[in-house]
Amino acid sequence: QKEVEQDPGPLSVPEGAIVSLNCTYSNSAFQYFMWYRQYSRKGPELLMYTYSSGNKEDGRFTAQVDKSSKYISLFIRDSQPSDSATYLCAMSAIGPGRRALTFGSGTRLQVQP
Amino acid sequence: DAGVTQSPTHLIKTRGQQVTLRCSPKSGHDTVSWYQQALGQGPQFIFQYYEEEERQRGNFPDRFSGHQFPNYSSELNVNALLLGDSALYLCASDLRLAGGPGEQFFGPGTRLTVL
Repeated sequence: QKEVEQDPGPLSVPEGAIVSLNCTYSNSAFQYFMWYRQYSRKGPELLMYTYSSGNKEDGRFTAQVDKSSKYISLFIRDSQPSDSATYLCAMSAIGPGRRALTFGSGTRLQVQP
Repeated sequence: DAGVTQSPTHLIKTRGQQVTLRCSPKSGHDTVSWYQQALGQGPQFIFQYYEEEERQRGNFPDRFSGHQFPNYSSELNVNALLLGDSALYLCASDLRLAGGPGEQFFGPGTRLTVL
């Protein structure tokens, strides 16, 4: 079993829809949670960076972390065709020598005009 | 403010050869991490450098080695290339914080093809 599970999609939605992307994880040591967006043949771009549980909002993006359920989500409001990309969740533990990011396999999102 | 830069963009090698990839971190960052991303997969952690020393290593063989220079730039070396080493190699940089990871910013990657 992978430490981080993510539905590969593709997820296809109409322009303007609210998108929900999710990851589950098994390692209870994970304390830092990130979402990256990756366009085809490009490097990942950091969207959200959160510590421990709770919500964080940045423009059209909201990240939620539920550590009790080992479940994290990214919501995209008013989705645009330019949001079409692969979304990667990533996590890290805390402490010396534990800074590596563990990624999900990514969810491919298509926003139809 | 320049972000993370990597060179070369693309590289084609044959099995058994050796390759060196280069990375310059984002201005103000002191820690460099390398990841391997196979097609359709998430990035896999290779190792991380800070203060010119390897600080953490993922599940990769000794054929993968690296170096960090005093200006914080870094190299990834892969010896005895295998077909399975074909992937996008990503460099990420961040500012080292006490306890956890900083916000890691990624470069555009080097696409390595092994024939």
